[in-house]
Amino acid sequence: GAVVSQHPSRVICKSGTSVKIECRSLDFQATTMFWYRQFPKQSLMLMATSNEGSKATYEQGVEKDKFLINHASLTLSTLTVTSAHPEDSSFYICSASLDYEQYFGPGTRLTVT
Amino acid sequence: AQSVTQPDIHITVSEGASLELRCNYSYGATPYLFWYVQSPGQGLQLLLKYFSGDTLVQGIKGFEAEFKRSQSSFNLRKPSVHWSDAAEYFCAVGVLSGGSYIPTFGRGTSLIVHP
Repeated sequence: GAVVSQHPSRVICKSGTSVKIECRSLDFQATTMFWYRQFPKQSLMLMATSNEGSKATYEQGVEKDKFLINHASLTLSTLTVTSAHPEDSSFYICSASLDYEQYFGPGTRLTVT
Repeated sequence: AQSVTQPDIHITVSEGASLELRCNYSYGATPYLFWYVQSPGQGLQLLLKYFSGDTLVQGIKGFEAEFKRSQSSFNLRKPSVHWSDAAEYFCAVGVLSGGSYIPTFGRGTSLIVHP
C-alpha cells in the first residue's frame, strides 16, 4: 500500500513553454502532498506543500508564479512549470502524506532546451 | 532550525563487508529521524525511522540504525552489503507540520559496492 505515482517520468520541453507534472496517490487519500526539487548529486529541497482545496504553501525563495501547484482532489496534485527555462531543468519529486509519514513518487526528470 | 549532516559524500565497500553511514542532526526538540534510499533516477524509499522507544531501529533490507542522543547521531548500519545496495542514502530529521513529518534531508552519501 501507500503508492505514489508521477507522470511523466521524463519530459523535454523547449524554453518558454509550460510543463505539467502529475502526482497521484494510488491507494490512499492524501490531504497533503509535497513537491521537492533535486539537483544532480544534491539533496532534496522542499519547494511547496500542497493542501487539497486550498492554496499551496511555498518555501522561501520559490517563485509561486513560476511553479503553479494545484491540489484538486485527495489523490491528485499537479505542478506546472510555467515559461520554463534551462535553469528549471531538474529532478522533481512529489510525496503524499499518510499517517504522519511521507511516501515518495518515482520522480520526473525535466529537461528544458 | 533543524539540520542534518552526512559527513561522507562517498563510501566504497566490498560486497559482503559491513557498512556504517554516518548522520548527525541538529534539532532543539525530540527528533524524528529517517533514513531513505534512492536508486539512480528513482524516488525515495524509506529504510527505517525513529520516533521514540528502543534506540536501535530495524529496517528493511537488513538495515538498522542506532539513535544516540548524547552524540546527536543516527548512524545506519548493515552487517553484510550486497551489490544491489549501491545507491544514494539520505538521512533526514522530521518536523511535525500540518499532520505530517516534513523531512529536512542531509546532502546524501553515495554508496559504491565493489564485487
